[in-house]
Amino acid sequence: DVKVTQSSRYLVKRTGEKVFLECVQDMDHENMFWYRQDPGLGLRLIYFSYDVKMKEKGDIPEGYSVSREKKERFSLILESASTNQTSMYLCASSFDGGDQPQHFGDGTRLSIL
Amino acid sequence: AQSVTQPDIHITVSEGASLELRCNYSYGATPYLFWYVQSPGQGLQLLLKYFSGDTLVQGIKGFEAEFKRSQSSFNLRKPSVHWSDAAEYFCAVGVNNNDMRFGAGTRLTVKP
Repeated sequence: DVKVTQSSRYLVKRTGEKVFLECVQDMDHENMFWYRQDPGLGLRLIYFSYDVKMKEKGDIPEGYSVSREKKERFSLILESASTNQTSMYLCASSFDGGDQPQHFGDGTRLSIL
Repeated sequence: AQSVTQPDIHITVSEGASLELRCNYSYGATPYLFWYVQSPGQGLQLLLKYFSGDTLVQGIKGFEAEFKRSQSSFNLRKPSVHWSDAAEYFCAVGVNNNDMRFGAGTRLTVKP
C-alpha cells in the first residue's frame, strides 16, 4: 500500500515565523503535490513537483515555496507565516499521467497565531 | 475555464437508504474523473475513477458512479448507506498531473 506521511498532524506557529511542512512517500512516485484545504473551497493546489528539483506553481503559490531534493520528500515552506495561512495542508503523490490517482497524507492542521 | 461543481454542501440520509452525490464539470475535453472520500482527521482516499469505456464504474466500499457526457456529470451512488460512510466526498477532474480540479466537497451525515 502507498504511504504518504506528513511530519505533523497539528502545528501552531506565530506570525512571521518560517514554517516547514514535510512530506515523504514510499512508492517511488514521480509527482508530488501540496494542497491547501479550506471549508467550502475544496482543495487548491499550491505547488506541484514532477521530478527532483523540479517544481511548478499551482493556483495559490503566493507566500509559499517548496523544496524537493530527494524523490521521496517534498517540503512546503512558509517564508513568513501569516494568519491567513491558517489551514489544513494536504500532501499527495502519484505516478506520472493525468489518469493516475493521487495518494494523500493525513494532513497537517496549521494554526498561525 | 475548468471547474467542478458539487451542488450539495451537506446531505443527510438514513442508514440503509440509497445515496446519490452529484458532480458536474466544465472542461474543454473529456477529462479523467475521480471520486475521493475523506473521513474525519484523514487524507483523501480514492473511491473510483473513470477514463473511458463503460460509463458505469464500480469502486470500493460498494460505491459506483455513472459518467454522462451529455450532462457533463459524474454522479456517485450507493444502494444502501452504512453508518461508516459518513464522511466528506470530493469529485475531481483533470487531464494532466498539474490541472486536477477538486469540487468543494459534499459532507454526508448518516442517521441511525
